[in-house]
Amino acid sequence: SQELEQSPQSLIVQEGKNLTINCTSSKTLYGLYWYKQKYGEGLIFLMMLQKGGEEKSHEKITAKLDEKKQQSSLHITASQPSHAGIYLCGAPFNFGNEKLTFGTGTRLTIIP
Amino acid sequence: KAGVTQTPRYLIKTRGQQVTLSCSPISGHRSVSWYQQTPGQGLQFLFEYFSETQRNKGNFPGRFSGRQFSNSRSEMNVSTLELGDSALYLCASSLSGGTGRETQYFGPGTRLLVL
Repeated sequence: SQELEQSPQSLIVQEGKNLTINCTSSKTLYGLYWYKQKYGEGLIFLMMLQKGGEEKSHEKITAKLDEKKQQSSLHITASQPSHAGIYLCGAPFNFGNEKLTFGTGTRLTIIP
Repeated sequence: KAGVTQTPRYLIKTRGQQVTLSCSPISGHRSVSWYQQTPGQGLQFLFEYFSETQRNKGNFPGRFSGRQFSNSRSEMNVSTLELGDSALYLCASSLSGGTGRETQYFGPGTRLLVL
């Protein structure tokens, strides 16, 4: 089974609407990263959350980390076509190890 | 600052051949990690190099190898290519790594197609 489960797997949203993507871990989280990927391209760093309860925002994207629930959520407000892509959460499960384990991704489509 | 660069961007090889991919990290970054991305398995960690030494390794066969040079540039090599090696290969760099708590910045990837 996946150590990081993302939901939903895909999302189609009308431009201007809000949306939330979730990432749930089966292991203790020591931190969590959110990346965005355009199809077939590299990953663009969005945010890193390190402490339980931490919340970060960048432009219209907000991410929160709930360590007790071993879960993170990514919320986009007033979505735009530029938000379309695949969102990936990643976590380092081994302290002292650069290895990031990634979720399977959420494909976001924005309808004009 | 220039981002992580990877060359070549696209590559077509046939089964049995070998291939070498290159990654130049962000200036000042000394840790370079490699990942393989496929539709079936998603993003999987291959290995990480720091100070010209492999520091961490994922669960890939010995056909996958890498190295890092004194300027932190890294190469990965895949020998005896198999059809299943077709994937997007991504490298990521961070300042010094070793904690899993430094941001890893990814390059655009090299798309490898094995025929």
